[in-house]
Amino acid sequence: NAGVTQTPKFQVLKTGQSMTLQCAQDMNHNSMYWYRQDPGMGLRLIYYSASEGTTDKGEVPNGYNVSRLNKREFSLRLESAAPSQTSVYFCASSGPGTSYEQYFGPGTRLTVT
Amino acid sequence: GENVEQHPSTLSVQEGDSAVIKCTYSDSASNYFPWYKQELGKRPQLIIDIRSNVGEKKDQRIAVTLNKTAKHFSLHITETQPEDSAVYFCAARPRNNAGGTSYGKLTFGQGTILTVHP
Repeated sequence: NAGVTQTPKFQVLKTGQSMTLQCAQDMNHNSMYWYRQDPGMGLRLIYYSASEGTTDKGEVPNGYNVSRLNKREFSLRLESAAPSQTSVYFCASSGPGTSYEQYFGPGTRLTVT
Repeated sequence: GENVEQHPSTLSVQEGDSAVIKCTYSDSASNYFPWYKQELGKRPQLIIDIRSNVGEKKDQRIAVTLNKTAKHFSLHITETQPEDSAVYFCAARPRNNAGGTSYGKLTFGQGTILTVHP
């Protein structure tokens, strides 16, 4: 099993450009999450998907959109990138049943200039 | 919503010493408290977790204690080794309104940079 995979690993954008971060899991998990990690601020939840077909806002959703394409894939889109979105982005998944552990992908380091 | 505070932000110990990291949470309905370790440039990985019906859990050199009344929980690492050097995050999971499923948002603390000197 590959676990949770993310693409790309690194990305540099100019202000105003758009991009989509891709995430996939092969563990048959129901729930998927997108976090951003900034120095001194821990991991903050952007959006999450409890199950296929549902998505909800987390703590810091402004400037982002998500799509739960199917059970395996959960993408994060930046429509008009801003320097404040420079961060490391992690995708995670959890499940099934009553297993609460979240498994993280390797992360995407995004720089917006 | 849930708020998790983590202290200290940095911790420096000598190899062989013990290290303790503490977290407090605000939502008394939270029922799951994991600890993640993140090495430089790597993804966070779960090292130990505890549910609200348990007061303490141990796994070799690592232990977590939970005080539900005071709403705080702590990570204890004994006999520290240089490879324990990393950033450690605590988190809390509010009780799931859907009841007993794997879905559940985590609220993370700000992280503790642990350095173990040889």
